[in-house]
Amino acid sequence: QKEVEQNSGPLSVPEGAIASLNCTYSDRGSQSFFWYRQYSGKSPELIMSIYSNGDKEDGRFTAQLNKASQYVSLLIRDSQPSDSATYLCAVNSPNSGYSTLTFGKGTMLLVSP
Amino acid sequence: DTEVTQTPKHLVMGMTNKKSLKCEQHMGHRAMYWYKQKAKKPPELMFVYSYEKLSINESVPSRFSPECPNSSLLNLHLHALQPEDSALYLCASSQDPRQGAFEQYFGPGTRLTVT
Repeated sequence: QKEVEQNSGPLSVPEGAIASLNCTYSDRGSQSFFWYRQYSGKSPELIMSIYSNGDKEDGRFTAQLNKASQYVSLLIRDSQPSDSATYLCAVNSPNSGYSTLTFGKGTMLLVSP
Repeated sequence: DTEVTQTPKHLVMGMTNKKSLKCEQHMGHRAMYWYKQKAKKPPELMFVYSYEKLSINESVPSRFSPECPNSSLLNLHLHALQPEDSALYLCASSQDPRQGAFEQYFGPGTRLTVT
């Protein structure tokens, strides 16, 4: 059973702070890792993808991957109230050419003004 | 352009009705997906189409019937649903899983209420 674990939160941070969201996964064969942002009542929006160990930065977002520890994280710098949402970690594992994602339950982030 | 469109946005149907959800993408993606999402839960995979062929059916009840008329379109036909089927139904697409392109892009979803 492939599992993706996230702290459900809520994670509360003040505006301007760094928000750190964490995710662990069970399948050592996993190769691709994604972070989705989902506002209440809306669909998930892909914000970061990471495929190799290390850091990947895109604007205020940094994804970090450590395959040895089976750990992936998302840092949001200079957090804004508009970042308040649920962040879903998703992990792809090879499956005979199909792309299936296993989602964590999501971490709710609350950024207070 | 990473747009996936879905219609209708909202749907209310009785348990004896037949309705269809539609999804369209014009990104040249070769895999399309249906997910069901209940409140405060992650998306739950229902079906995967790869190169217009049904590749995965996650043991979904037969009252849900998917169809992929062409590489850009995906339908989900609904019949004799139950109130517990009320949820947000999400369509997603990805470029080419056979080439390692696994990023999935979601449409806005259809909010379904079964009365």
